[in-house]
Amino acid sequence: DTAVSQTPKYLVTQMGNDKSIKCEQNLGHDTMYWYKQDSKKFLKIMFSYNNKELIINETVPNRFSPKSPDKAHLNLHINSLELGDSAVYFCASSQTRVAEAFFGQGTRLTVV
Amino acid sequence: DQQVKQNSPSLSVQEGRISILNCDYTNSMFDYFLWYKKYPAEGPTFLISISSIKDKNEDERFTVFLNKSAKHLSLHIVPSQPGDSAVYFCAARGRGTNAGKSTFGDGTTLTVKP
Repeated sequence: DTAVSQTPKYLVTQMGNDKSIKCEQNLGHDTMYWYKQDSKKFLKIMFSYNNKELIINETVPNRFSPKSPDKAHLNLHINSLELGDSAVYFCASSQTRVAEAFFGQGTRLTVV
Repeated sequence: DQQVKQNSPSLSVQEGRISILNCDYTNSMFDYFLWYKKYPAEGPTFLISISSIKDKNEDERFTVFLNKSAKHLSLHIVPSQPGDSAVYFCAARGRGTNAGKSTFGDGTTLTVKP
């Protein structure tokens, strides 16, 4: 029974397209995150939501928009995809905003 | 500006020996540190953490040491097992509004040889 699940696992799409990645956690956590792991393997936080409220919004292009319909879900929508958006995107959750994070398996996005 | 650095991209040790993974940070406002382990095609999993008010934390085979004056932490795994082979990330968090934001290093790939 997966704790943090994100779909799809792989996503190949053309430049200019709009795509969404979905994330759900069944741990009852209050806080959810989106991280990006680029080609240099750095994990960088993009967004964090606490009880559906945006609390962290790093320097991310406006083309990226998170949406949290409820505490258990945090989706990531990306408009006008660019080659540089190719990366692995990880969703995560934590019990509180200062607790350790539980990560999903990642979504490998390839923009061609 | 890379605030958390893991200067060794890879480490290879023999099964049963000690593995020591190192991490350096530059931001003196960091006050909580975490280690995560990552297998291929999986997300990172939390391993162990340490608060800046401590200098050591142990959990079974894993011990994290923190040297605040040197802005350095290390993860010791003893004895190392083949199943420990993975990428290890250290992460650091600040205080207040930055408490929920973890800054990650770029990882060290540990290989434990049978």
